[in-house]
Amino acid sequence: GAGVSQTPSNKVTEKGKYVELRCDPISGHTALYWYRQSLGQGPEFLIYFQGTGAADDSGLPNDRFFAVRPEGSVSTLKIQRTERGDSAVYLCASSNVGETQYFGPGTRLLVL
Amino acid sequence: AQSVSQHNHHVILSEAASLELGCNYSYGGTVNLFWYVQYPGQHLQLLLKYFSGDPLVKGIKGFEAEFIKSKFSFNLRKPSVQWSDTAEYFCAVNAAGGYNKLIFGAGTRLAVHP
Repeated sequence: GAGVSQTPSNKVTEKGKYVELRCDPISGHTALYWYRQSLGQGPEFLIYFQGTGAADDSGLPNDRFFAVRPEGSVSTLKIQRTERGDSAVYLCASSNVGETQYFGPGTRLLVL
Repeated sequence: AQSVSQHNHHVILSEAASLELGCNYSYGGTVNLFWYVQYPGQHLQLLLKYFSGDPLVKGIKGFEAEFIKSKFSFNLRKPSVQWSDTAEYFCAVNAAGGYNKLIFGAGTRLAVHP
């Protein structure tokens, strides 16, 4: 079946702009995770959803970052007033209860 | 604090050489352990995982890893690498059971020369 998909694959924006990154999880997976990977580092956890609710948002760096999953499937990560330090690859993963997380290809965000 | 440490950031090997990548973790409680791989231009893929049972885990493409609880380690091994194993390898851990975030190491970039 289809894997996790993310759009766009690349996003270039200017400092101060607003961006939205989309994730389509594997069909039927109830959990959805967002991670951020900076150059030379491993992925860092941002937030995860169990169904429609954010069960753990402890990894969001500040209140400029927000994510939603209104129907328990597709999720959108929203970044307001982008800063150059937000440049990274944003990864989405999905899973079922206590099972392996499967990752999408990521969105490469560049803030100029 | 929860953390994962990968000892080697860059490894260069010739084909047919043996591989061992170190991974140590710091995490209270029962854990699940993972190795993910990212081939050039591709997304993160699961290589192998340990949830419970036999501490020697076999994964895809001839890789294996051994969970040594007393050493908090989960080292990745392959007896004979191929050029196609050139990739970045990430060790990760999470709490066993339920929905739990993964804690990743910084990754090891492996280059295999023909």
